[in-house]
Amino acid sequence: AQKITQTQPGMFVQEKEAVTLDCTYDTSDQSYGLFWYKQPSSGEMIFLIYQGSYDEQNATEGRYSLNFQKARKSANLVISASQLGDSAMYFCAMREGLRGSARQLTFGSGTQLTVLP
Amino acid sequence: DTAVSQTPKYLVTQMGNDKSIKCEQNLGHDTMYWYKQDSKKFLKIMFSYNNKELIINETVPNRFSPKSPDKAHLNLHINSLELGDSAVYFCASSQVRGPYGYTFGSGTRLTVV
Repeated sequence: AQKITQTQPGMFVQEKEAVTLDCTYDTSDQSYGLFWYKQPSSGEMIFLIYQGSYDEQNATEGRYSLNFQKARKSANLVISASQLGDSAMYFCAMREGLRGSARQLTFGSGTQLTVLP
Repeated sequence: DTAVSQTPKYLVTQMGNDKSIKCEQNLGHDTMYWYKQDSKKFLKIMFSYNNKELIINETVPNRFSPKSPDKAHLNLHINSLELGDSAVYFCASSQVRGPYGYTFGSGTRLTVV
């Protein structure tokens, strides 16, 4: 079974509007971390936001917020006030296990976001 | 100051050749990783080293051999390159006890012709 599922291969949003990118995950661990990365056309992986499984508040970082619904095992990324520079591939990823373990990230298949002027 | 640096950025080589990709991090992290991103952009873990010790070795052909001379360096050597090895290879690092972040290098685009 897929551990991270991103069901939107591509999304379009009008500039200045908000957009939600979906991510669901599957794990039997109680401790895990959820990450979102942005990959622009230049190719680098840019960390956006992190949510720990025990964090009670939804994470926010500037225009990015993570809508964490633990019971539904979803961790959707919300980008407010979209900008043209937000056009990129977005990856959801999960680290299973305790923070103090050398665990790798498992990635979803990504969502290509295009911001329209 | 580049946190995780990979060299080379681009690598074009013929089938059958042997090549290496180097990775260095100056963040003081104790864990380093190699990921492969295929043509469909899917990212998959290949190897992970913690303090120079191999801890993750996914199902990767044994033509791929990682080497970690110290905890700041993780190199990837590939023997007998095949067309299917063409991909972008990312190095990353993290700290086991401390901040949760994973920092990625800028990637190495390998093209096998």
